[in-house]
Amino acid sequence: EVQLLESGGGLVQPGGSPRLSCAASGFTFSNYPMNWVRQAPGKGLEWVSGISESGSSTYYADSVKGRFTISRDNSKDTLYLQMNNLRAEDTAVYYCANGGMIPDSWGQGTLVTVSS
Amino acid sequence: DIQMTQSPSSLSASVGDRVTITCRASQGIRSLLAWYQQKPGTAPKRLIYDASSLQRGVPSRFSGGGSGTEFTLTISSLQPEDFATYYCLQHNSYPLTFGPGTKVDIK
Repeated sequence: EVQLLESGGGLVQPGGSPRLSCAASGFTFSNYPMNWVRQAPGKGLEWVSGISESGSSTYYADSVKGRFTISRDNSKDTLYLQMNNLRAEDTAVYYCANGGMIPDSWGQGTLVTVSS
Repeated sequence: DIQMTQSPSSLSASVGDRVTITCRASQGIRSLLAWYQQKPGTAPKRLIYDASSLQRGVPSRFSGGGSGTEFTLTISSLQPEDFATYYCLQHNSYPLTFGPGTKVDIK
């Protein structure tokens, strides 16, 4: 069974730099491109970032380009999202999902709240 | 970037009703569109990809159609467990973009 477990969320001050993690199990992590998708409270889904199987290719939404960095450690079956210079509008539940350009299995999400 | 719109934004329907949701892309995306279902407090679930391919395990009352810029998700006979919010996603090019969602609730 595919399992994706996000962590690293919480209350962050504006301008903060948390790193989210997503621990994967139940599938061959290194064979799958991965994504981060977020959802602000009461709002719709927003794709944030994607990464290829090897990590050599990365993709970003315009809203986070230059502030967020996606990466992966295939030896640890873990996906990361380094978030810098956070703003109030980055407040959201952050989901990781496998499946490349068509996110398939999703984690339960981790809430990031940006507030002073 | 490709912009996605959905209509209606919400609808009220009864069990057994046929429901159709429309998704439009700002430019042609061939058949590279997926549909997701999300219930409150849970992660989205993929229903359909490549416009009309049903995800394994998804009931056959769900169907998708369309190509180019206009797409539909149809639920042939609405069941109690289908009350949820539905999102389209274009998977033609990065950045991936979701539609704003259609909330289906009980009439």
